[in-house]
Amino acid sequence: AQSVTQLDSHVSVSEGTPVLLRCNYSSSYSPSLFWYVQHPNKGLQLLLKYTSAATLVKGINGFEAEFKKSETSFHLTKPSAHMSDAAEYFCVASGAGSYQLTFGKGTKLSVIP
Amino acid sequence: GAGVSQTPSNKVTEKGKYVELRCDPISGHTALYWYRQSLGQGPEFLIYFQGTGAADDSGLPNDRFFAVRPEGSVSTLKIQRTERGDSAVYLCASSLVGQDSYEQYFGPGTRLTVT
Repeated sequence: AQSVTQLDSHVSVSEGTPVLLRCNYSSSYSPSLFWYVQHPNKGLQLLLKYTSAATLVKGINGFEAEFKKSETSFHLTKPSAHMSDAAEYFCVASGAGSYQLTFGKGTKLSVIP
Repeated sequence: GAGVSQTPSNKVTEKGKYVELRCDPISGHTALYWYRQSLGQGPEFLIYFQGTGAADDSGLPNDRFFAVRPEGSVSTLKIQRTERGDSAVYLCASSLVGQDSYEQYFGPGTRLTVT
């Protein structure tokens, strides 16, 4: 069994400042990890994924995440927030070779002009 | 190209009624998934199709829920005797094959409200 915990339900940053969205996972094996973004009235979009290759993963729109096995974390970062980044972000895990995704509860990111 | 589409975008029904939610996956995607997203929660897995067959329906909450994919493309999620607790956004996703290395592409969802 696996679980995903997103440590903040809501994060607010000023435009141009760094973004940090925190995620911890629990799994009996090394999972595949993903970050998805959900804009209002839009489908979930994959930002990036970790599948046991490089621990620092770069995604779209300047986002990146680092897999830290010792801390069971997969935090999402971006150096400089843009207004268009305002959305809900989900940290997601799947088991080895599995199709079934386990989602965290989501973090709503607000960007203040 | 066209993404995953879902119809209707919104559905309001009365308690006890029957509803059908439709999903059109990306052309050529053999794997199709249904998820349910309740208010304030992340999506939860319901069922997975590989081709025409339901390979894993372990996430369906009870026997009022059923899904089909008769020709290996469009899928319909069917809910009988709806209850207020069924109110949620129902998401459909598709991928090339059912493995974690293949990105699941999500539709915009159907918001179901049971009054």
